[in-house]
Amino acid sequence: GDSVTQMEGPVTLSEEAFLTINCTYTATGYPSLFWYVQYPGEGLQLLLKATKADDKGSNKGFEATYRKETTSFHLEKGSVQVSDSAVYFCALSEYTGFQKLVFGTGTRLLVSP
Amino acid sequence: DVKVTQSSRYLVKRTGEKVFLECVQDMDHENMFWYRQDPGLGLRLIYFSYDVKMKEKGDIPEGYSVSREKKERFSLILESASTNQTSMYLCASRARDREVGEQYFGPGTRLTVT
Repeated sequence: GDSVTQMEGPVTLSEEAFLTINCTYTATGYPSLFWYVQYPGEGLQLLLKATKADDKGSNKGFEATYRKETTSFHLEKGSVQVSDSAVYFCALSEYTGFQKLVFGTGTRLLVSP
Repeated sequence: DVKVTQSSRYLVKRTGEKVFLECVQDMDHENMFWYRQDPGLGLRLIYFSYDVKMKEKGDIPEGYSVSREKKERFSLILESASTNQTSMYLCASRARDREVGEQYFGPGTRLTVT
């Protein structure tokens, strides 16, 4: 089946540093790609998405570009804040009789003041 | 504001007990999901329901069953809890006509089986 690989965490940064969280995928079709964020004690929230090659998803200063040639969807932010500390999940859509999401293992981000 | 609620944030049960995890959404969504979240494994789909009384197995249905008698409520049942079912359980819902990734998640139930 399809799969998503994320960089292991935790990623530890100082406030205002540049963030990259790597995500690569393997898929037989042409999936949509997503980033979710999970703040402490909460459920996952959709952060951004991209539905086809070269699409760029963006939200709250975060960006990710769907790169079909490298099968990647890396998450970036130019200047992180303490409030960005959370777990970030990369995911793709897969159809196996019904549409479902396949998630990566998650990457914890810790931002210190 | 959309809302998915789960009956308990923390639950401790004994091996062999029957366990019910409840999920309620107030968005009139057709699709509802149960996942478990484990460190190093991410989220894995247990069961999915696309309508009242309808269900599909996900990737790891063994040891679980589900019930959807009303549109807003989706229950996960552990018939005989085992220690390897200690995990965080997340419920989600989605409108049928929305993109698959537009799922709304509850806060999770952390289940410990002793």
